[in-house]
Amino acid sequence: LAKTTQPISMDSYEGQEVNITCSHNNIATNDYITWYQQFPSQGPRFIIQGYKTKVTNEVASLFIPADRKSSTLSLPRVSLSDTAVYYCLVGDMESGGYNKLIFGAGTRLAVHP
Amino acid sequence: DAGVIQSPRHEVTEMGQEVTLRCKPISGHDYLFWYRQTMMRGLELLIYFNNNVPIDDSGMPEDRFSAKMPNASFSTLKIQPSEPRDSAVYFCASSPDSLKGNEQFFGPGTRLTVL
Repeated sequence: LAKTTQPISMDSYEGQEVNITCSHNNIATNDYITWYQQFPSQGPRFIIQGYKTKVTNEVASLFIPADRKSSTLSLPRVSLSDTAVYYCLVGDMESGGYNKLIFGAGTRLAVHP
Repeated sequence: DAGVIQSPRHEVTEMGQEVTLRCKPISGHDYLFWYRQTMMRGLELLIYFNNNVPIDDSGMPEDRFSAKMPNASFSTLKIQPSEPRDSAVYFCASSPDSLKGNEQFFGPGTRLTVL
């Protein structure tokens, strides 16, 4: 399984754009990149998933360069409620079955007023 | 749908006692996962099931831990006997069988404290 590396913590202020970069140098051809968000005292929640280029949904954007050795989660105009831990994971999506995802330490984002 | 349901939400027990955690996955989901989260070790996958069959239990820490899924709507994680180092938040998650959507839906967790 590809290992991911992301910053332990980040700080931001309300209204700013936050970009969290994740390194996954050993990503395999069939691996997809997935981001989860976890609030205190809650289970993780799926944010976004992508394979290459750019993916956008109502919550975030995910930028993946051509070599796919890194990815960047972009949160537009964060608010206090975006304070959470963000996990970057890679996993094989095309084997016809489920492949377990390994959660790393994640990035603890603190949004300040 | 009510989402993944776990019970109890909090459990305090004494060392040596048996503990049973329960999970009801989202209806129609074919995969069920049990995780444990601690400050020291983060979020660890313990075991997962596909169509009620255990597929990978390599994350189960030792023989004191066991998990069952007697039907598609219910799973248990049992610890017998419990030890203080088992204190953690235990999450259950479920996922549909989809090549595209590997999204896991997590329950609220059970906070276990073993004294």
